[in-house]
Amino acid sequence: DVKVTQSSRYLVKRTGEKVFLECVQDMDHENMFWYRQDPGLGLRLIYFSYDVKMKEKGDIPEGYSVSREKKERFSLILESASTNQTSMYLCATGSTPYNEQFFGPGTRLTVL
Amino acid sequence: AQRVTQPEKLLSVFKGAPVELKCNYSYSGSPELFWYVQYSRQRLQLLLRHISRESIKGFTADLNKGETSFHLKKPFAQEEDSAMYYCALSPYNNAGNMLTFGGGTRLMVKP
Repeated sequence: DVKVTQSSRYLVKRTGEKVFLECVQDMDHENMFWYRQDPGLGLRLIYFSYDVKMKEKGDIPEGYSVSREKKERFSLILESASTNQTSMYLCATGSTPYNEQFFGPGTRLTVL
Repeated sequence: AQRVTQPEKLLSVFKGAPVELKCNYSYSGSPELFWYVQYSRQRLQLLLRHISRESIKGFTADLNKGETSFHLKKPFAQEEDSAMYYCALSPYNNAGNMLTFGGGTRLMVKP
C-alpha cells in the first residue's frame, strides 16, 4: 500500500513568513508532485520532480519553490507567504509508465 | 495543451436516483482518462480509469472519443457516494505520469 505523508494537516502562518511543507513517500516512486486545491478551480500543479535534484515548473509556480534532495522527500517552500496562498496543498507520487497518482492527506495552510 | 472541463460544480440528487457527472476534455491525441474521488476528511484516491473498463462501487464511465467526453454514471445513488469528484487526463506516451485535472464536481446525495 502506497504511503504518502505530509508534515502537517493544518498550518497557520503570517504574511511574509517562510513556510515549508514536506511530503514523504515510501514506495520508491520517481515522480512527485505538489498541487494546490481550491474550490471551483480543481487541482492546479505547482511543481513536479521526476528525479532527485530535478524539478519542473507546473502551471502556477509563482511564489513557490521546491527541493528534492532525497528520492522519498519533496518539499514545497513559500519564500514569503501571502494571503492569496491560503489553500489546501496536496502532494502526490507516481511511477512511469503507470499513470495513476497517489495522494497525501493534504495540508490546509492559512496565511493571516 | 490538454484541458479538462467539469461543467457542474455541484450536483444534488436523492438517494436511489440515477447520477451522471459530466467530464469533457480537449486533447489532440489518444488520452487516458481517470475519475478520482475525495470523500469527506479522506485523501484523494483513484475511483476508476477508462482502460480498465471496470465498474467500481457501481460507477461506470465510458470514453466517447467523438464527443471527447468521459461522463461518470451510477444508476442508483447512495448517500455514501456524497463526495468531491475530479476527472483527470493523462496524455499519450506520458513521461513523468502527468495528470491534468478538471475543476471538480461536488456530489450530494440526499436521503
